[in-house]
Order: sequence, then structure tokens, then C-alpha cells
Amino acid sequence: DAMVIQNPRYQVTQFGKPVTLSCSQTLNHNVMYWYQQKSSQAPKLLFHYYDKDFNNEADTPDNFQSRRPNTSFCFLDIRSPGLGDAAMYLCATSRDLGQEETQYFGPGTRLLVL
Amino acid sequence: AQKITQTQPGMFVQEKEAVTLDCTYDTSDPSYGLFWYKQPSSGEMIFLIYQGSYDQQNATEGRYSLNFQKARKSANLVISASQLGDSAMYFCAMRPGHTGGFKTIFGAGTRLFVKA
Repeated sequence: DAMVIQNPRYQVTQFGKPVTLSCSQTLNHNVMYWYQQKSSQAPKLLFHYYDKDFNNEADTPDNFQSRRPNTSFCFLDIRSPGLGDAAMYLCATSRDLGQEETQYFGPGTRLLVL
Repeated sequence: AQKITQTQPGMFVQEKEAVTLDCTYDTSDPSYGLFWYKQPSSGEMIFLIYQGSYDQQNATEGRYSLNFQKARKSANLVISASQLGDSAMYFCAMRPGHTGGFKTIFGAGTRLFVKA
């Protein structure tokens, strides 16, 4: 039944050690999003893909990269994690980009940076 | 500017009672969508209800209803017959139309506590 799957649910990494978070979807949606959410805050959009078209938010640090090799999978790469990157990372999908489009979220990956 | 305001950082409600979570929005776009999401402590954001800016009637989904007052730019969530499992963070969100780039704008959230 799971529609948006994120692995791992918890990730511990060391300061400066690259880490990759993964997201997959069974909804066949065109759009996939990555959000960063810090404690008790609203999710912050990092970037999104419309099909293979990558859209980076202006304030997303260069340290964050993403790949979408096919419709189902999307990856978030953090090249050199800092302590400030410890957060919940949420993947979401939507069928399209219209204002009526519901986003469906995965369970998130909690990243801890030591 | 596109903005969502949730003025209640935390709310308490007695089990089985109704509760209203406030949300106001600001957009210059004539066309937009309004959403409410629930986020339990586990972290997953769960879609609850949607209201389109041109919808004449308030949206309802089971125990959830959206009190949409377009002139006041408010989209309050009403939860009827609260249950212990409703304890969670609730986010109001807006997707502006074309001029807003279709990006979802989230409010700061309201943490709801349901008391037994």
C-alpha cells in the first residue's frame, strides 16, 4: 500500500561525510519534491523535479544535490553534511504542478550529523 | 506576497469535542488551492482536506471540514469529535496559481493536544 517510500528512516552520518537519501513512489506521479524540516518548523522546499526537469530553489545550498534516474526514484545527496543539516528530510510527489494538486509525502528520513 | 499565517502555536481540546484551527492566507493570485496536512510525531505529512479558491461550498472529509471565508482570506480547519489520535501538528498550506509558481507555501503549524 505504501505510495511514497523513503529509505532509510533514520540516518546517522559524520560531519563532512557524504550521504544519500532515497525516495521511491508507486503513484507514477510526474513531480517529486524534497523538503527539509527542522524541529517544530514548516517544511522548506529544497528542489523539485517535473519529470526530468530539475528546479532548484534559489536559497538551497550547493551542498545539496538531487538525482532522478527514472519516474519512480529520486535521491537527495548531501555532499558535505554540516551540523546544521541535521533535520527531517521529506520526499513528496504530486501528479502535476497545478494549484489543485495534492502532495503525497513519504514517512521522512531523520538525519543526524555527528 | 504569498503567505500563510497560523496564529495558534498550540491548542488543547477535550476528547470528543470539536476544535477549530485557524489559518489565514495572503495571495494576489486569483486562483489557488488550500490544503491541510496532519503531521504526527512519526513525521509523515498526511493530507487531510483540500479547498479550491473557486469552490462555492466548504470542503468536508469525514470528521474534517474546512471553513472557507474567501473575503476574509481564511481557511480554518474544524475537527469534530476529537480523538486521542488527532494529537499532532497541523499545517495549513496554499498552492498559488500560475503567477505563484505552483509552489506550496506552508504555515508555521499548530500543535493540537487531545485530552482524555
